Amino acid sequence: SAVISQKPSRDICQRGTSLTIQCQVDSQVTMMFWYRQQPGQSLTLIATANQGSEATYESGFVIDKFPISRPNLTFSTLTVSNMSPEDSSIYLCSVSLAGGRETQYFGPGTRLLVL
Amino acid sequence: SQQGEEDPQALSIQEGENATMNCSYKTSINNLQWYRQNSGRGLVHLILIRSNEREKHSGRLRVTLDTSKKSSSLLITASRAADTASYFCATGLKTSYDKVIFGPGTSLSVIP
Repeated sequence: SAVISQKPSRDICQRGTSLTIQCQVDSQVTMMFWYRQQPGQSLTLIATANQGSEATYESGFVIDKFPISRPNLTFSTLTVSNMSPEDSSIYLCSVSLAGGRETQYFGPGTRLLVL
Repeated sequence: SQQGEEDPQALSIQEGENATMNCSYKTSINNLQWYRQNSGRGLVHLILIRSNEREKHSGRLRVTLDTSKKSSSLLITASRAADTASYFCATGLKTSYDKVIFGPGTSLSVIP
């Protein structure tokens, strides 16, 4: 298994600003994932972040809006840029130890409210 | 796009009763997973069942998989108030090695 922490746990931001969310894993992992969970909804994959390569974004998500860094095998950041109230969600990072379609281990999430 | 659909969307039962949640999917899978989420926090992996398996147990959890019907069920026996949470199925596709797709989830309330 893997233990994942996220910072911040929650934040309230003004529209037009940006927020960077950090994800730290207690072991080295190749694949990290960023999800968005809008209020009352399921998880939607934003992007897959592999160390040493550019993040792979899912349809509907673009790098300018959600830039991702993956500087090493235990850490990643997701930035939510130029925020609007529609960005109010829980943002979750996860890792997989055996391939992206296998068991994923999740961080506690970051609750974002944009006013 | 979401591959899985779950029903019911919401389920309320008395403590001690069994809870059954269902998940249907559309395309061929390598595996199907169930996760629990308490009060909007991170998800916890419960169980993974592979496409060549039909049933799997873990403690009070029993998962079945019917690939001919493209459906799975999660049974929680002798439910407890602490089982109150949202439950999501997620499918690992045969055609994609690098991600899973989550269903919409079932919200379970266990009344003491």
